[in-house]
Amino acid sequence: GNSVTQMEGPVTLSEEAFLTINCTYTATGYPSLFWYVQYPGEGLQLLLKATKADDKGSNKGFEATYRKETTSFHLEKGSVQVSDSAVYFCALSETRGAQKLVFGQGTRLTINP
Amino acid sequence: DAGITQSPRHKVTETGTPVTLRCHQTENHRYMYWYRQDPGHGLRLIHYSYGVKDTDKGEVSDGYSVSRSKTEDFLLTLESATSSQTSVYFCAIHDRGGKENTEAFFGQGTRLTVV
Repeated sequence: GNSVTQMEGPVTLSEEAFLTINCTYTATGYPSLFWYVQYPGEGLQLLLKATKADDKGSNKGFEATYRKETTSFHLEKGSVQVSDSAVYFCALSETRGAQKLVFGQGTRLTINP
Repeated sequence: DAGITQSPRHKVTETGTPVTLRCHQTENHRYMYWYRQDPGHGLRLIHYSYGVKDTDKGEVSDGYSVSRSKTEDFLLTLESATSSQTSVYFCAIHDRGGKENTEAFFGQGTRLTVV
């Protein structure tokens, strides 16, 4: 079945540091890939997505590229801010039907000033 | 923000009691989902619905049932709560509208503690 594996956390960085959170997936067919973010006490919000190989999703300075050859979708940001502190989830879904989401385990990110 | 409301937001219940969580949407979306969030597991799908009275099981459906008698409401019931069902429960909605790869919206979550 489909699965997503994320870099273990927690991750702690200083403000303005470079961020990478690794994500790899296993899937039949050609899934869509997502990064969701969860701020404390809130639900999940879509951060970015990519729907086919070599697509790059981007939002709020975050980027991730759909790499079919390495089955990866790593999240990157060049200069993190304290406000980026949150839990980040990598996820995939099939492109048709119910499009159920399959999530990675989540990575808690803390940015210190 | 998508119009999706979960109730209650917090609940403490005793082992063996029935519990019902409610998800209400104002978006008229076709698809609704219940996930649970546990440390080290991310979110896992419990049940989902693809229309009124149309539901199906997800990855972790044992011990849960659902009902959808109208488009806007999706209920999750724990028939006899156990401590292993202590978790944070999220509802999500999604409307394909005939399109692929559209976005799912999540509620604020319900923190359930079974003692």
